[in-house]
Amino acid sequence: GAVVSQHPSWVICKSGTSVKIECRSLDFQATTMFWYRQFPKQSLMLMATSNEGSKATYEQGVEKDKFLINHASLTLSTLTVTSAHPEDSSFYICSAKRNRDDNEQFFGPGTRLTVL
Amino acid sequence: GQQVMQIPQYQHVQEGEDFTTYCNSSTTLSNIQWYKQRPGGHPVFLIQLVKSGEVKKQKRLTFQFGEAKKNSSLHITATQTTDVGTYFCGCGSGANSKLTFGKGITLSVRP
Repeated sequence: GAVVSQHPSWVICKSGTSVKIECRSLDFQATTMFWYRQFPKQSLMLMATSNEGSKATYEQGVEKDKFLINHASLTLSTLTVTSAHPEDSSFYICSAKRNRDDNEQFFGPGTRLTVL
Repeated sequence: GQQVMQIPQYQHVQEGEDFTTYCNSSTTLSNIQWYKQRPGGHPVFLIQLVKSGEVKKQKRLTFQFGEAKKNSSLHITATQTTDVGTYFCGCGSGANSKLTFGKGITLSVRP
């Protein structure tokens, strides 16, 4: 159990376009979802924390108007990279928590975004 | 802000050798978690430590939380090629559930 999926697994887009990435918890309801960004051979940088039905909490330095997060249900969170630029190219990973008392995070497989 | 250090970033061992790595936080933690990411894969949860001085074992892996709850160690006995990957520590502090991750240590094992 505790499987998290992401779609798409990779995407290539032109500079200036917007890209939506979906994160789904397949067999559990996620009280909280997290969005990370990972550069090659680097750590996971937390971008924002997303709770169902409320506004996401963004980390310092992350533009909320650039990276739109919508947590529409207990099994789905979306990250939209608006007006993408080449510097937004990265590996975006989401994770989900099963319940408030369990700190374990279940990670999705990630989405590789390349902006041309 | 909180800083999490994992040094070195890379380590190469001969199969069968033991391996130990450390994670150090600049602040006192409420919990620390270890994750493993295989090449091309995503992080997978290994363990969570909560109590001061706590030691947990998973087969050949031993995890320890420091007495001051500011550092942790991961020890692998008799490494195997299946241990290859990047090991991240994720540090939790305060009431919220977010984690601050170290840069990870990438382990390679020579057969």
